[in-house]
Amino acid sequence: AQSVAQPEDQVNVAEGNPLTVKCTYSVSGNPYLFWYVQYPNRGLQFLLKYITGDNLVKGSYGFEAEFNKSQTSFHLKKPSALVSDSALYFCAVRDMNDYKLSFGAGTTVTVRA
Amino acid sequence: GAGVSQTPSNKVTEKGKYVELRCDPISGHTALYWYRQSLGQGPEFLIYFQGTGAADDSGLPNDRFFAVRPEGSVSTLKIQRTERGDSAVYLCASSPDSYEQYFGPGTRLTVT
Repeated sequence: AQSVAQPEDQVNVAEGNPLTVKCTYSVSGNPYLFWYVQYPNRGLQFLLKYITGDNLVKGSYGFEAEFNKSQTSFHLKKPSALVSDSALYFCAVRDMNDYKLSFGAGTTVTVRA
Repeated sequence: GAGVSQTPSNKVTEKGKYVELRCDPISGHTALYWYRQSLGQGPEFLIYFQGTGAADDSGLPNDRFFAVRPEGSVSTLKIQRTERGDSAVYLCASSPDSYEQYFGPGTRLTVT
């Protein structure tokens, strides 16, 4: 079985401040981890993934995420948030021997000007 | 290039009716997935195709749900005898490999 927990329903930050969106996962084997962003009335957009290698992965729009195996976490970060980053963010995991993704419930990010 | 497209974007139907939802994946992507997203939740896996065959349909909630991909490209999700609990956004995704999945905009299904 595989699952994802996003402990915060909402994250509010001021523009220019660092942004962190938390994610922890559970998977029986080696994890493949993903972050997606969803804007209103639009589909999910891929941000970044961790497959193997360097624990710090960089993705689109200045986002990065750090894989921590001991804490089973994959937190999403951005050093300086923009108002345009306001959206719904989903963390997802799959076992490397499986294909289906399991998603968290999502975290709504609001960046205030 | 063109992304994943889904039609219709919105579908309203009466309880008990039959509906078909269509997905056009990105050209050349061999893997295709269907997910269902209920309000306030993350997407939930329904079915995965590799080529023409359903490699994993473990997420289909019951036998009223069925999906096909006859030529290894376009896929249709079919729901018989719709129920109000089927109301959700149905998402399709395609992938060229075993890694990231590219999602379409979804079909919002409302069963009245």
